[in-house]
Amino acid sequence: EPEVTQTPSHQVTQMGQEVILRCVPISNHLYFYWYRQILGQKVEFLVSFYNNEISEKSEIFDDQFSVERPDGSNFTLKIRSTKLEDSAMYFCASSVLQTYEQYFGPGTRLTVT
Amino acid sequence: QKEVEQNSGPLSVPEGAIASLNCTYSDRGSQSFFWYRQYSGKSPELIMFIYSNGDKEDGRFTAQLNKASQYVSLLIRDSQPSDSATYLCAVNDKGDKIIFGKGTRLHILP
Repeated sequence: EPEVTQTPSHQVTQMGQEVILRCVPISNHLYFYWYRQILGQKVEFLVSFYNNEISEKSEIFDDQFSVERPDGSNFTLKIRSTKLEDSAMYFCASSVLQTYEQYFGPGTRLTVT
Repeated sequence: QKEVEQNSGPLSVPEGAIASLNCTYSDRGSQSFFWYRQYSGKSPELIMFIYSNGDKEDGRFTAQLNKASQYVSLLIRDSQPSDSATYLCAVNDKGDKIIFGKGTRLHILP
């Protein structure tokens, strides 16, 4: 069964450093998403991406964040200058169409020290 | 601000019994409704989705949607210890994003 994959599973970085989180969505899906979950809190939407551009973004997704689909399979989230409060699980998800069910990857645990 | 509300639990249910999980949402325009299961330290796993009023059954799971009452529920029949997890109710409005509730912790008692 097709699934969303994410790398790395765990990333440790120092405050102020740039990180890139990578995702490979399900191959026939057209919509891609990033969510985050701070420990003990609910899953929060960051951004959606369709047809090579951002479709929707939350207030969390400020100028420090960017997304890219550099090739036909990868989807990346870049945090330019990490802060302590960026420490969280970051989940990539994909769906066939807008408002359809979204399938999540296993997540990347980001720890900012 | 659109909200999805769930009782945080824990909800304790004896093995073999029916577990009933409930969720309310604030936006009448919401179109798609999902139940995800999340084990500790893992990602949300989609277990049910429902788009129309009424019931939808898949194996031991039944999702129920009442748009007039803005209410979604999930029933788990013949509960197993492996069903012990946090269940996340999620709602998608006209846009792309899913809004998640905080989740209900379910504990199946052997």
